[in-house]
Amino acid sequence: DTGVSQDPRHKITKRGQNVTFRCDPISEHNRLYWYRQTLGQGPEFLTYFQNEAQLEKSRLLSDRFSAERPKGSFSTLEIQRTEQGDSAMYLCASSLPGLATDTQYFGPGTRLTVL
Amino acid sequence: AQSVTQLDSHVSVSEGTPVLLRCNYSSSYSPSLFWYVQHPNKGLQLLLKYTSAATLVKGINGFEAEFKKSETSFHLTKPSAHMSDAAEYFCVVSEALRSNTGKLIFGQGTTLQVKP
Repeated sequence: DTGVSQDPRHKITKRGQNVTFRCDPISEHNRLYWYRQTLGQGPEFLTYFQNEAQLEKSRLLSDRFSAERPKGSFSTLEIQRTEQGDSAMYLCASSLPGLATDTQYFGPGTRLTVL
Repeated sequence: AQSVTQLDSHVSVSEGTPVLLRCNYSSSYSPSLFWYVQHPNKGLQLLLKYTSAATLVKGINGFEAEFKKSETSFHLTKPSAHMSDAAEYFCVVSEALRSNTGKLIFGQGTTLQVKP
C-alpha cells in the first residue's frame, strides 16, 4: 500500500506522560500536514511542513506540542505532559509539491486516549 | 477569515432516493472547495474539489457539487443513495490563495444515514 501511514493507530496513556506519533507520507509528497479531530467535530489544522521546514503552526499547538520532519520524509508529533483534553484523533496528510490546492491524502489517524 | 458552515448535522434518506448535503462558505478570496467523506474506522477520502474551473464538479461514487458564488454555497448531491454512502461528510475550504500553505478548514460534518 502506498498511501499515508501512521503509527500507532491507537495510544492509551496516563495524564502527564509523553507520547510520540509517526507519519509516513506518500513518497515524493513534500507537503505534510497534521490535523486534530475531536469527537463530533471536523479536523482542525495543527501544523504544516514543506520538506523539512515547518512553515506554519496553529495557535492550537501549545508549547507541549512539537513536530519535526527530519530530512523531509517522515514526521513525528510529540505531546509532552499529556492532558485529558489532548484526547483526540491525530491525522496526517500529504500532498504533491505543486499547487497548494493539490489534493491532500490522509492517513488513517492515531487515536489518543488520555486517562 | 475563511470558514464553512454545514447546515445539517444529520441527514437521513432512504436507499435509492436523492441525497442533498448543504454547505455555505465564507471567503475573501476566490475559494478552493472540497468535499471529503469519512467512513467509520477509515481515513478521510476526497470526493471532489472545486478550484475555479467548471462550477459543476463531478466526483467519485456518483456525487457532484455545484459552486454558486452568488449564494456562497457548495452543496453536495447524489441522485440515488446507496447503503454504502452512510458516512460522515465534510465540506472544506482551502486557504491556499491566502497563505500558500494549503491548510484545510473543515466544517462540522454531516452524518448521512441511509435506510433500507
